[in-house]
Amino acid sequence: AQSVTQPDIHITVSEGASLELRCNYSYGATPYLFWYVQSPGQGLQLLLKYFSGDTLVQGIKGFEAEFKRSQSSFNLRKPSVHWSDAAEYFCAVGARDDKIIFGKGTRLHILP
Amino acid sequence: DAGVIQSPRHEVTEMGQEVTLRCKPISGHDYLFWYRQTMMRGLELLIYFNNNVPIDDSGMPEDRFSAKMPNASFSTLKIQPSEPRDSAVYFCASSPRGRNNEQFFGPGTRLTVL
Repeated sequence: AQSVTQPDIHITVSEGASLELRCNYSYGATPYLFWYVQSPGQGLQLLLKYFSGDTLVQGIKGFEAEFKRSQSSFNLRKPSVHWSDAAEYFCAVGARDDKIIFGKGTRLHILP
Repeated sequence: DAGVIQSPRHEVTEMGQEVTLRCKPISGHDYLFWYRQTMMRGLELLIYFNNNVPIDDSGMPEDRFSAKMPNASFSTLKIQPSEPRDSAVYFCASSPRGRNNEQFFGPGTRLTVL
């Protein structure tokens, strides 16, 4: 069965520092992978997605993610975080039956 | 496009009352998904529709929950009777196709059952 693991429940970084959020997936074929962000009181917004091709995917708000098949990972990165990046981030994998399986989320805290 | 629209944004009700949550998907999207988000269980898929037809309702917690999609521009999620453990944020999302495309989420309805 498809699954997504986000090993970090909370991450705290200083403003201006680099960020990496981890995501591991379980899927038998080539996965469709997503990162979503949820700001407080809001719905989920798509940051980026990977379907095929270049394994380094660029998204909105300066985020990028790298698909590594050998490690079953799809980690999210940003070279320099801003206070407005404080939010919850969800990794997700597209399942065979039109559903998307979401991870439990990683809450990002930014120190001034 | 206005995006996915959900109403009400907040709902406070008493145990035993009927609750109806509403969703208007993005025009032209064939898929509609209902999710529930809680601190304990995270984001759970309740049910999803394709072309107004329910495809998978295995996530609906019990018979108190029901969902309908009478047409392509409207869906409801009903809880009757409501219980305190139903308190959560309920999201509606739509997608132009299935897993090949991202889902577009509404702002959610925060439900509190007293």
